[in-house]
Amino acid sequence: AQSVAQPEDQVNVAEGNPLTVKCTYSVSGNPYLFWYVQYPNRGLQFLLKYITGDNLVKGSYGFEAEFNKSQTSFHLKKPSALVSDSALYFCAVRDLQGAQKLVFGQGTRLTINP
Amino acid sequence: DGGITQSPKYLFRKEGQNVTLSCEQNLNHDAMYWYRQDPGQGLRLIYYSQIVNDFQKGDIAEGYSVSREKKESFPLTVTSAQKNPTAFYLCASSIRGTGSANTGELFFGEGSRLTVL
Repeated sequence: AQSVAQPEDQVNVAEGNPLTVKCTYSVSGNPYLFWYVQYPNRGLQFLLKYITGDNLVKGSYGFEAEFNKSQTSFHLKKPSALVSDSALYFCAVRDLQGAQKLVFGQGTRLTINP
Repeated sequence: DGGITQSPKYLFRKEGQNVTLSCEQNLNHDAMYWYRQDPGQGLRLIYYSQIVNDFQKGDIAEGYSVSREKKESFPLTVTSAQKNPTAFYLCASSIRGTGSANTGELFFGEGSRLTVL
């Protein structure tokens, strides 16, 4: 079965510094990987996805993610953090069996300190 | 604007009562999903439906029921059999099929927060 792991429950970064939110995956075959962001009491918003092609994927709000097949990772990055980036971030992998549903990680709470 | 509408946003229920959460989409998506979110546990799949009049259990279906009579609608009923129903419930939809347009991306509603008193 497909799965993703987000090893950090919480990440704290100073405003203006680069940020990284980690994600590792386990799939059989080629992975379809996603990042979503959630603000308090809101639904999830899509940030970016990796399907195929370049290992560096660019997404919304200046975020990018690097797909690394040898390390089975898909870390989310941003060169310069904003206080407004503070939110809950979810990594997800598409289950290629049956209904092709998404399997989500536990989430990482990102806090950007002014 | 196209999107997914969940209602109500907040709901309070007494123990022993059934409640139904509404989910409507106008994205013309075939597939719809219900997830439950609890603090520190991420999202867990309750039920999903790939097509009208068909649905399957997810990982935590016990105590829940759904119907899919229309393409646009996928209501979730939280029954009295659900032991810990207090949670944030998220509805989502996606394109179905194996074509290149289907990359599995889900579109989410704004969620419904259920509290059992």
